[in-house]
Amino acid sequence: DIQMTQSPSSLSASVGDRVTITCRASQTIGTFLNWYQQKPGKAPKVLIYAASTLQGGVPSRFSGSGSGTVFTLTITSLQPEDFATYYCQQSYSSPRTFGQGTKVEI
Amino acid sequence: QVQLVQSGAEVRRPGASVQVSCKASGYTFTDYGIAWVRQAPGQGLEWMGWISAYSGDTNYAQTLQDRFTMTTDSSTSTAYMELGSLSSGDTAIYYCARDQDLCKSDRCYEYFDNWGQGTLVTVS
Repeated sequence: DIQMTQSPSSLSASVGDRVTITCRASQTIGTFLNWYQQKPGKAPKVLIYAASTLQGGVPSRFSGSGSGTVFTLTITSLQPEDFATYYCQQSYSSPRTFGQGTKVEI
Repeated sequence: QVQLVQSGAEVRRPGASVQVSCKASGYTFTDYGIAWVRQAPGQGLEWMGWISAYSGDTNYAQTLQDRFTMTTDSSTSTAYMELGSLSSGDTAIYYCARDQDLCKSDRCYEYFDNWGQGTLVTVS
C-alpha cells in the first residue's frame, strides 16, 4: 500500500496568512493526488484533483503543486472559512489512501 | 444538483452486521462509480472500496474484503454497503462518495466529487 504522510499535523495561522501543507507519498504517484477539506461534522469536500487542478467553485486562493512523491497545498490569504482539516489522497493505485490530515487552527 | 443521501444512524452489538444505503439524485446513476470511506471518531479517512454502478464491478480494501459487501440498485439509484462481524473498531462515520473520472492528456484522474452526509455506526 502507498503511505501518504502530511506535514505538519496541525498549524496555527491568522486570517490573511499564507499557509502551505506538504504531502509525501511512499512511492511515486505521478500527479494522481487529490486534496480535500473537511470541517467539523461535515463530509469532506474536494478542492484539487490531479495535483494542481482546481475543482469548480473552489476559490482561487487554493492551489496545488507537485509530482512524483512530494506535493503541496497552498492557501494564499487564509480566510475565516478556511479553518478546517485538510487531507491528501492518492488515486494512483489500490487501495486508495489518505494522509493523516492537517488541522488548520486559528 | 448532485445529491447523495444516506440512511440514518445505526447501533449494533459486536458480531452483528450493518447495512447503510446511499440514494443518488441529480445525475445518471450508472455513469459513475460509488466509493465508501469511513472515519473513526477523531481519526482520519479510510477508503473501504469502490463499485461501478454500471457493471457492478468492485474493488475492496483487502483489510475488509472478507466481511464487506457493496451493491447497487440502478432502479432506485441507490448504493448499499454491508459490513459484518462488527467490532468496536468499526465504530465510525461511513460516507458514500461519487467517483469521478476525469480524463486529460491520455490519463484519467479519479477523485470523489460529491459526498453523502455520513452515517454514524456505533458498535457497542
